[in-house]
Amino acid sequence: GENVEQHPSTLSVQEGDSAVIKCTYSDSASNYFPWYKQELGKGPQLIIDIRSNVGEKKDQRIAVTLNKTAKHFSLHITETQPEDSAVYFCAASKSANAGKSTFGDGTTLTVKP
Amino acid sequence: DVKVTQSSRYLVKRTGEKVFLECVQDMDHENMFWYRQDPGLGLRLIYFSYDVKMKEKGDIPEGYSVSREKKERFSLILESASTNQTSMYLCASSPRQGSIGLGYTFGSGTRLTVV
Repeated sequence: GENVEQHPSTLSVQEGDSAVIKCTYSDSASNYFPWYKQELGKGPQLIIDIRSNVGEKKDQRIAVTLNKTAKHFSLHITETQPEDSAVYFCAASKSANAGKSTFGDGTTLTVKP
Repeated sequence: DVKVTQSSRYLVKRTGEKVFLECVQDMDHENMFWYRQDPGLGLRLIYFSYDVKMKEKGDIPEGYSVSREKKERFSLILESASTNQTSMYLCASSPRQGSIGLGYTFGSGTRLTVV
């Protein structure tokens, strides 16, 4: 089955700096890669996603890049703010099998004011 | 505001009890999922369903069963609760593949403690 590895497990940055979280996946058939943000006491929330036919996608301060050949994808957050502090999960899924996702283990991001 | 609602935020049960965790979504989604979240282990898939009365095992189905009698409701059942089932349980739903996207909408979670 699919295996997703996520690094780093913890990341601390100064407010205004950039943060990058990286994931690798094993199943070349995976074609959809969402990112979720989980704040304390809440369920994860989808923040951005990318399909395998796209190399990069941006939404304001967040962007995701995908390298299909190397089977890795990354989340980039620019101009970080304290409210960006949360646990971030990457995931990989494919069109078959109800689109079930395999998740990375999560990255705890702390943005220091 | 569309959402996934889990019936309980916190639950304490005794070892050996039969436990029902309920999840309801109002987005007319075909797919529904149950994950458990444990520190250092991420989110692990227990069961999922892609249609009413259909269910598929995930990666860690042992000790659990599910029921989906209506499209909007997906129940997770712990047949005989054990202490190693103490965890955060997350329900999620997504639209049928090929439609607007495969991203999940998650509920707020149920923190279950088995004593």
